[in-house]
Amino acid sequence: EDQVTQSPEALRLQEGESSSLNCSYTVSGLRGLFWYRQDPGKGPEFLFTLYSAGEEKEKERLKATLTKKESFLHITAPKPEDSATYLCAVQVSPDKLIFGTGTRLQVFP
Amino acid sequence: GAVVSQHPSRVICKSGTSVKIECRSLDFQATTMFWYRQFPKKSLMLMATSNEGSKATYEQGVEKDKFLINHASLTLSTLTVTSAHPEDSSFYICSASSTQSSYEQYFGPGTRLTVT
Repeated sequence: EDQVTQSPEALRLQEGESSSLNCSYTVSGLRGLFWYRQDPGKGPEFLFTLYSAGEEKEKERLKATLTKKESFLHITAPKPEDSATYLCAVQVSPDKLIFGTGTRLQVFP
Repeated sequence: GAVVSQHPSRVICKSGTSVKIECRSLDFQATTMFWYRQFPKKSLMLMATSNEGSKATYEQGVEKDKFLINHASLTLSTLTVTSAHPEDSSFYICSASSTQSSYEQYFGPGTRLTVT
């Protein structure tokens, strides 16, 4: 059964304290791995797509990496405005994403 | 680019009534649209996938007669919750993708449905 697991469920960081979020997956065929940011009461906002092991992408304080079994979202020197839920999703077919349960990140000043 | 809107953002309806939610792709043609449901502090659960001009494909456990999906054009899909009950209260999110975007899905802002 295709499965996506994110850890930790919740993460509290001090402003400037770098950390990483994990997304591990077990799927029959990976077409792509997506990271989204979701603010309370809003829809997910697209961050990155990764397609193959070894691929990395960066955007401001965020960097996403991919291996054959997992992906990491590294947050460098986070700011309070980075507080959100970060969702990982695996594309298993052109028409299907399987989402993890997300990591709720809180960054305190 | 790749903006998806939803209307309404919030709706309250009485038990037994029906409510329609619209999803529009504003700056691209969406060959496929998706409807998700999200419970508090939970992840998104895919309800159905629809292609323009075709019948929607529903995920296992989703009642197609209760959640009516219409994808009449390349920029509009609607979800109608029929005979709504309090347990249908949830956050409904649509997304859209096109062949030009490598099947990446772009999400709408969501609709909070409360059934009283």
